[in-house]
Formats: sequence, structure tokens, C-alpha cells
Amino acid sequence: IAGITQAPTSQILAAGRRMTLRCTQDMRHNAMYWYRQDLGLGLRLIHYSNTAGTTGKGEVPDGYSVSRANTDDFPLTLASAVPSQTSVYFCASSATRATEAFFGQGTRLTVV
Amino acid sequence: GDSVTQMEGPVTLSEEAFLTINCTYTATGYPSLFWYVQYPGEGLQLLLKATKADDKGSNKGFEATYRKETTSFHLEKGSVQVSDSAVYFCALRMDSGGGADGLTFGKGTHLIIQP
Repeated sequence: IAGITQAPTSQILAAGRRMTLRCTQDMRHNAMYWYRQDLGLGLRLIHYSNTAGTTGKGEVPDGYSVSRANTDDFPLTLASAVPSQTSVYFCASSATRATEAFFGQGTRLTVV
Repeated sequence: GDSVTQMEGPVTLSEEAFLTINCTYTATGYPSLFWYVQYPGEGLQLLLKATKADDKGSNKGFEATYRKETTSFHLEKGSVQVSDSAVYFCALRMDSGGGADGLTFGKGTHLIIQP
């Protein structure tokens, strides 16, 4: 079934550790996004990529980095995790920046 | 900047009741508008969309009309079911221009339908 796959589904991480959340899509979408979802705050954009080889900062990029080496993959890295990064992370993709986005199932990350 | 405002809830209704979830937006141009639904433990799924003024999006008995004059995109359903219990997100996207890409979301409305 075509779609977006995120891994892991959940993770408990010690503060200060490095962590990469993986995201793969098989729809050949040009644009990909990372959001975090927090209670009372809704979804907030962390980073985005309009096409392979380019990335941009969203609303809450600090403490996160991304890369887009190819069309299918868009990993999100926390260089040194902090408790405030405890959240549910969603990867999404869209054919273009003007079309609807499709979401993965999410990664629940707890930083302790 | 662009923003979306929606009632946060929780909204609790009885089965077969009429549903309205209000959504208003602020944008400098003419956005596309979306409603997404998130069932417990799952990611967001597109429910419906409208890309220009007076367009009506519909799906699974839900409807929303793009009202430019009131900058609104209220979600309605005539008769809700227990299976409609979920969190509903209103969102907008600008089709052109600079700035950060991606959707601008409201904070979500938790809907609870009781049998």
C-alpha cells in the first residue's frame, strides 16, 4: 500500500542523546514536511523540503536538522535531545506545495 | 502571518445530532482550505478540501463551504455517529508566495459522540 512510513513508532530517549527519526514515502511526492504535535498547541511545522536537495525551516526548527538526499527519504535528527522535545512527530508529503498533504502514523518520542 | 482559529472542545454530542465545528482563518492572499481528521492513535487523514471561494468540499457526510466574505470554513454533518469521534483540524495553505511551506493548522477540536 502506497504511503508514508515512519520509524520508530515510539521511543524513550535519554536527554543529551542523538536520535534520527526516519520517514520514507513511495508516492514520488516532491514536497515533504516534519511536524510536531503537542497538546493544546496543535501541529507545528519543524522543517520542510520542496524537492530533493533543498530544505527549509518551519515554525519551530531549533534543535532539529533534516536532509533530503533523494525524493523518498526525509530523516529528522535531534542532535542532543532535551525534555521539551517530548512530542508526537508526524512526517507528511505532498505532490507539490499547493496540494494536500498525506501523513505518516507518527513517532511518539519521550525524552527523559 | 497566516493563522487558523477553531473551537477546541471537547465537543460532546449524542449520536444522530447535527454537528458544526467553526473554523475561521487569517491570510494575506487566497488560501486553499482543508479539514483533516485524526482518529485515536493514528496520523492525520484528509477529510475534505476547497481551493477557491464558494467551493464546497464534502466527504463521508461531512461538508464545508469556503466563505471568503467571512473568512470561514465551518465543518458540518447532519447526523453524527459514534465512529466520528476523533480530533478534527482545520488548515490552510497558500498556493504561492514565499515564507515557510506546509500547512497552517488550527489547534484541533476533539469530538466525542455518545451512543
